[in-house]
Amino acid sequence: KNQVEQSPQSLIILEGKNCTLQCNYTVSPFSNLRWYKQDTGRGPVSLTIMTFSENTKSNGRYTATLDADTKQSSLHITASQLSDSASYICVVSSFTGGGNKLTFGTGTQLKVEL
Amino acid sequence: EAGVAQSPRYKIIEKRQSVAFWCNPISGHATLYWYQQILGQGPKLLIQFQNNGVVDDSQLPKDRFSAERLKGVDSTLKIQPAKLEDSAVYLCASSFGGTLYNEQFFGPGTRLTVL
Repeated sequence: KNQVEQSPQSLIILEGKNCTLQCNYTVSPFSNLRWYKQDTGRGPVSLTIMTFSENTKSNGRYTATLDADTKQSSLHITASQLSDSASYICVVSSFTGGGNKLTFGTGTQLKVEL
Repeated sequence: EAGVAQSPRYKIIEKRQSVAFWCNPISGHATLYWYQQILGQGPKLLIQFQNNGVVDDSQLPKDRFSAERLKGVDSTLKIQPAKLEDSAVYLCASSFGGTLYNEQFFGPGTRLTVL
C-alpha cells in the first residue's frame, strides 16, 4: 500500500528561526514529489516539485531535498516568518497506465510565533 | 488568472439531509478532482474527471456520493443522505491535463459540518 508519513505532526518555532520538516514515503512506482503549503481555510499551494533525478530544489526561503534511495524528503524553511504558519503537506506521485495517482501525507502543522 | 472557485464556503446540515457543492475550475483545465479532507489528515481523492468523463472514482462512496461534470467545465458533488463522518473540507482541484507533471491547483474548499 502506498503511504506517505510526515514528521513532526506539529511544530512551534520563533520568528527568524530555521526548521526542517520530514517526509518518508513508500510509493511505487515513484514519479515525483511535491511539497504543498496549506494556509488555514485555503486550498494547498505547490511549493516545489522534484523528480527521481533531482536531490534539491529551492523556492525562496524554502529548500526541499530528496533521497530516492532511502525514500526520504525534507523541507527546510530559512528565517521563518509569521506568514509561514500553515500546514505543509508532502505529496508523492505515481504514474502508471491508470494515470497519475497522488498519495498525500497528513501534513506538519507549523506555527511561527514572535 | 482566476483560480478554482468553490461554493458554498461553509455548510452546516443535519444527518440524513442532502447537500451539494459546486466547483468552477481554471479556464482551459481539462482535469478536475474532488477531494475529501478530514481534520488533521491529508486530502483523499474522491473522483477525477477528464473533460466530462470519469477517470477514477474508486474511493467515492457511491451509495451516498455522486458527482457530475456535464459540459466538461463546472462540476457538482452531492451527498445524499449525509452522515456524521462526512464532516470534512471538500476540495476541488483542476489541472491542464492528467499527466505526470501537471500541477493541481486547489480551490479554497467547502467546510461541511454534519450535526
